[in-house]
Amino acid sequence: EAGVAQSPRYKIIEKRQSVAFWCNPISGHATLYWYQQILGQGPKLLIQFQNNGVVDDSQLPKDRFSAERLKGVDSTLKIQPAKLEDSAVYLCASSYIAGGETQYFGPGTRLLVL
Amino acid sequence: QKEVEQDPGPLSVPEGAIVSLNCTYSNSAFQYFMWYRQYSRKGPELLMYTYSSGNKEDGRFTAQVDKSSKYISLFIRDSQPSDSATYLCAMKEENTGNQFYFGTGTSLTVIP
Repeated sequence: EAGVAQSPRYKIIEKRQSVAFWCNPISGHATLYWYQQILGQGPKLLIQFQNNGVVDDSQLPKDRFSAERLKGVDSTLKIQPAKLEDSAVYLCASSYIAGGETQYFGPGTRLLVL
Repeated sequence: QKEVEQDPGPLSVPEGAIVSLNCTYSNSAFQYFMWYRQYSRKGPELLMYTYSSGNKEDGRFTAQVDKSSKYISLFIRDSQPSDSATYLCAMKEENTGNQFYFGTGTSLTVIP
């Protein structure tokens, strides 16, 4: 079984630029999560999708972050414009059912904003 | 006060030692308790999960939950250099069930 795929693995941008991250969850997993993990901290949920609908985006900074999950499979997370404090690892995870205790994480995308 | 508190370490032990990792929490509605292992530059992987109180054992790993004290532990017996990683605790409520709350992680190094 293929795992959660993410790209790119690394990204360096300057502040005020835009950036996008892509995630392909495990086949058949209805629920997809985007987390932000700042160095030395645990993952913080940004947004959760159930199929192509948003379940929870309460911690997503909607003035600069956006996410979509077209056709209930792949997902894209975008930041525009980026700030220095957005430097973090962006993790995508998926689970078979909503709130399922078994979340499978991708390797993450390391973002550095200069 | 954070939902979940975890000592970040770092923790360094000799090979073969028993390791104890701990988290405390404030939300009495948490019912699911998870431990994840995260190797450097990798995503977290689920090690164990426990529902409500009690102990759960899986090989060299034992998870304990004490809901009366709002305290959870992960014990690693006969620690190996391959156990060197960051260990994250995570918790969630049962009914709303959707959001996981993670600790900051404890960095563990097992010295050969």
